[in-house]
Amino acid sequence: NAGVTQTPKFQVLKTGQSMTLQCAQDMNHNSMYWYRQDPGMGLRLIYYSASEGTTDKGEVPNGYNVSRLNKREFSLRLESAAPSQTSVYFCASSDWAALTDTQYFGPGTRLTVL
Amino acid sequence: TQLLEQSPQFLSIQEGENLTVYCNSSSVFSSLQWYRQEPGEGPVLLVTVVTGGEVKKLKRLTFQFGDARKDSSLHITAAQPGDTGLYLCAGRFYNQGGKLIFGQGTELSVKP
Repeated sequence: NAGVTQTPKFQVLKTGQSMTLQCAQDMNHNSMYWYRQDPGMGLRLIYYSASEGTTDKGEVPNGYNVSRLNKREFSLRLESAAPSQTSVYFCASSDWAALTDTQYFGPGTRLTVL
Repeated sequence: TQLLEQSPQFLSIQEGENLTVYCNSSSVFSSLQWYRQEPGEGPVLLVTVVTGGEVKKLKRLTFQFGDARKDSSLHITAAQPGDTGLYLCAGRFYNQGGKLIFGQGTELSVKP
């Protein structure tokens, strides 16, 4: 039982390059999320998918797109990377039980944009 | 807009000391969670509180939820080096569609 897996673990991009961050969960969860973590900012929600076939914007969606490929997989794409997107990206999943659901996080992708 | 304030941002103490971390909002939480994150890993849930005035204990960690459900605290008794990490509070608000809003985090360092 791997939980939530993310690839790659590290990535360095040049400004303007594109890339896709991959996330998969094996807990049969309905909901999946993408966050970014910057020093002193906690985690900020980029996009989420409450259930398969739906996606919604979070707090900081500009410059990103997402795809809920199936129930297991949720990818995050940077079409034209900018230095401001240098961050640690976390994927998470949950059952979306409203008040008390636990979000399970992957190990993160450390992205540097030069 | 940051709806949730966490303090202090940094805390460096000696082994055996006690500490408290605070999480506050001007809005009422529908529920609040505390997560712990170790370097190079994702956050892991410690506790969920839902009822105003609720107190939960997890070994040397005590979590309180304010009566008005606008604040919460995490108290660690006799801190140990193994408690070192980033502590994050995360709340849900009634007008945020169930999304989890995270505080800025408290970086705790416990020195032997």
